Amino acid sequence: EIVLTQSPVTLSLSPGERATLSCRASQSVRSFLAWYQHKPGQAPRLLIYDASNRATGIPARFSGSGSGADFTLTISSLEPEDFAVYYCQQRSKWPLTFGGGTKVEIK
Amino acid sequence: EVQLVESGGGLVQPGGSLRLSCAASGFIFSNYWMTWVRQAPGKGLEWVAKIKQDGSEKYYVDSVKGRFTISRDNAKYSLYLQMSSLRAEDTAMYYCARDRIQLWSDWFDPWGQGTLVTVSS
Repeated sequence: EIVLTQSPVTLSLSPGERATLSCRASQSVRSFLAWYQHKPGQAPRLLIYDASNRATGIPARFSGSGSGADFTLTISSLEPEDFAVYYCQQRSKWPLTFGGGTKVEIK
Repeated sequence: EVQLVESGGGLVQPGGSLRLSCAASGFIFSNYWMTWVRQAPGKGLEWVAKIKQDGSEKYYVDSVKGRFTISRDNAKYSLYLQMSSLRAEDTAMYYCARDRIQLWSDWFDPWGQGTLVTVSS
């Protein structure tokens, strides 16, 4: 199975700062990678699919890039509601797998 | 508004059974693949099972094959997960999720808020 490794595990930033999250795959997943946001007690939310496409209703401050085995989620300027856990997911090869998550916390 | 609401979670003894349900609304349920994803305490997300629009194809992660069965009732706008021979490692929040688009997608949008399953004696 494809293992997705996310880094850092925790990212401590202030509102208004730029967040850069990494997801590295154990083998190429081409562009078949998505990012989700998950807040405690809430449903996870799809942010980015196919590496760089924003899902419906997702603000432009969220952007995704990368291909092959290295991917990045960037939040250009953190809003208070952006502090959450972020997961990457691949669909290049079954079983579908998720990364371990990056927690973006308020500094 | 598109909505998914899970139910049926609870405390069950090892070796026991439980049936989870997911009630869908706000979209044509029969047009979409549906999925179950779980999250063990303190862990990341794990895809569990997926079912085709008409129920004719079903896929499972290896760790639940032979123990879990995914099904759906399109007339009732409902998705199910029948879990048997439960183990402590099945303890998790279970989420149902819809494929993002009507064709096979494997991107999940939206998700429900989850139902908690605890396997313990």
